[in-house]
Amino acid sequence: GQNIDQPTEMTATEGAIVQINCTYQTSGFNGLFWYQQHAGEAPTFLSYNVLDGLEEKGRFSSFLSRSKGYSYLLLKELQMKDSASYLCAVTDSNYQLIWGAGTKLIIKP
Amino acid sequence: GAVVSQHPSWVICKSGTSVKIECRSLDFQATTMFWYRQFPKQSLMLMATSNEGSKATYEQGVEKDKFLINHASLTLSTLTVTSAHPEDSSFYICSARGDQGPDYEQYFGPGTRLTVT
Repeated sequence: GQNIDQPTEMTATEGAIVQINCTYQTSGFNGLFWYQQHAGEAPTFLSYNVLDGLEEKGRFSSFLSRSKGYSYLLLKELQMKDSASYLCAVTDSNYQLIWGAGTKLIIKP
Repeated sequence: GAVVSQHPSWVICKSGTSVKIECRSLDFQATTMFWYRQFPKQSLMLMATSNEGSKATYEQGVEKDKFLINHASLTLSTLTVTSAHPEDSSFYICSARGDQGPDYEQYFGPGTRLTVT
């Protein structure tokens, strides 16, 4: 079956760095997404990786290793507004998005 | 660009009634639209995929006679929850993919919170 694993919840301190991991097992692979979702709102796009390596975008970076079925989202200089759920999603061979359950990130002052 | 709207943003209805939710792509043509449902503290669950002008493809376990999807134009898809029951109370989100931006990206609407009493 298809499976995406990410931690349920993480806590970090304002100004620090946090890494949210995601491992996946899917039928085919056509890219991996990270989305941010605040409570009661729809997801917003953060990043897309289809090749191995690190993609940096401001305070957020996303890494992919296809051979290991592994990705992480790195958030630097954490701000209180970064408190949200972070969803990992993989596009399979049919270009269908398979979603992880999300990681709730709690930022403490 | 690439804005998707949903209407209504929230709705309360009585058990047994039907509710229609609209999803519109405002500045691009959405060849494919997706409908998701999200229960509290859970991730998105894909309900169905619809392509303009053709019947929607429903995910396993989703009743197509209960959740009617119409994708009549390249900018509008509707989800009708028929004979709603309290267990249908959820956050319904649509997303669209089309001629705007990279082929891989889906653009999400703001969601519709449905409460069935």
